[in-house]
Formats: sequence, C-alpha cells, structure tokens
Amino acid sequence: DIQLTQSPSFLSASVGDRVTITCRASQGISSHLAWYQQKPGKAPKVLIYAASTLQSGVPSRFSGSGSETEFTLTISSLQPEDFATYHCQQLNSYPLTFGGGTKVEIK
Amino acid sequence: QVQLQESGPGLVKPSETLSLTCTVSGGSITNYYWSWIRQSPGKALEWIGYVFYSGATNYNPSLKSRVIISVDTSKSHLSLKLNSVTAADTAVYYCARHVSGYSAFGPWGRGTLVTVSS
Repeated sequence: DIQLTQSPSFLSASVGDRVTITCRASQGISSHLAWYQQKPGKAPKVLIYAASTLQSGVPSRFSGSGSETEFTLTISSLQPEDFATYHCQQLNSYPLTFGGGTKVEIK
Repeated sequence: QVQLQESGPGLVKPSETLSLTCTVSGGSITNYYWSWIRQSPGKALEWIGYVFYSGATNYNPSLKSRVIISVDTSKSHLSLKLNSVTAADTAVYYCARHVSGYSAFGPWGRGTLVTVSS
C-alpha cells in the first residue's frame, strides 16, 4: 500500500496567514493526488484534484502543487471559514489511501 | 444536485454484521463508482471498497475477507456489509461518488456513526 504522510498534523494560524501543508507519498504517484477539506461533523469536500487542479467553486486562495512523492496545499490568505482539517488522498493505485490529516486552528 | 445519505444501525454487537445503506437522490447511480470510506476516532480516513453501477467491486485487501458492497440501481442505493465486527470497526462510515476508478471523491454523504459494543 502507498503510505501518505502529512505534515504538520496540527497547525495554529491567524486570519490572513499563508499556510502550507505537505503530503509525502511512500512511492511515486505522478500527479494522482487530491486534497479535501473537512469541517467538524461534516463530510470531506474536494478542493484540489490531479495535484494542482482547483475543483469548481473552490476559492482561488487554495492551490496545490507537486508530483511523484511530494505535494503541497497552500492557502494564500487564511479566512475564518478555512479553519478545518485537510486530508490528502492518492489515486494512483489500489487500495486508495489517505494521509493522516492536518488540523488548522485559530491562533 | 446529487445527494447521498447513509443509514443503518448506530450500534452493532461484536462478532455480528454491520449493515449500512447509502441512498442516492437527485441523480442517477448509472455510470458512476460508489465507494465506502470510514473514519475511526483519531485515525485517518480508510477506503473500504467500491462498487461500479454494473455491480463490479474492488475491496481494500485489509477488509476484503469481511466486506461485501452491492448496488441496487432500481432503488438508487448501495449497501455495505461488514461481518465479524470488533471494537476496531467503530467509525463514522461515509459513502461517496467518483466518476472513475482513479478520480477524486465527490459528493460524499454526511456519514453515520457506527459503534461496536456489547
């Protein structure tokens, strides 16, 4: 199975901050990676797919980059509604796997 | 738009079978893949398996011996059965749609908490 390691697992930031979350894969997965946002008690929602393609309707302050084994999700200017947990998912091979999540909280 | 809703018992006894249904409304089951995913307290999301609208399935090897996922297109729902459950199967269970075997998941249902306890 492909392991995904997210860092940090917890992040404290202020509104307006630039935030970067990293997802490292245990083997190369090309650009077959998605990022999800999950708020408490809610289902995950896709933000980015194919490593860098913004899902329709997602604000442009979110961006994704990377390939093979290292990927990043960047929020250019953190907004109050962005405080949530973020998950990466590899879509390169089965079984599909997720990272451990990064919780973004208000400083 | 398409909405997914999971339903089923919130409490299952150890060694018994967990059975959940995901009802799809506002859209067709046809031509899509439908996955079950779970999230145990404090743990990462875990993909359980998928069913294609045709009935073809693919399961996570870690659960394959205990899981069956099926689809009923006439009722617009998919089902999950997980047998011989233990406390480790306590989790929020989600269903989600994807357009291919290698595409991101969306939409997701809101999830349903299943607790395994005597």
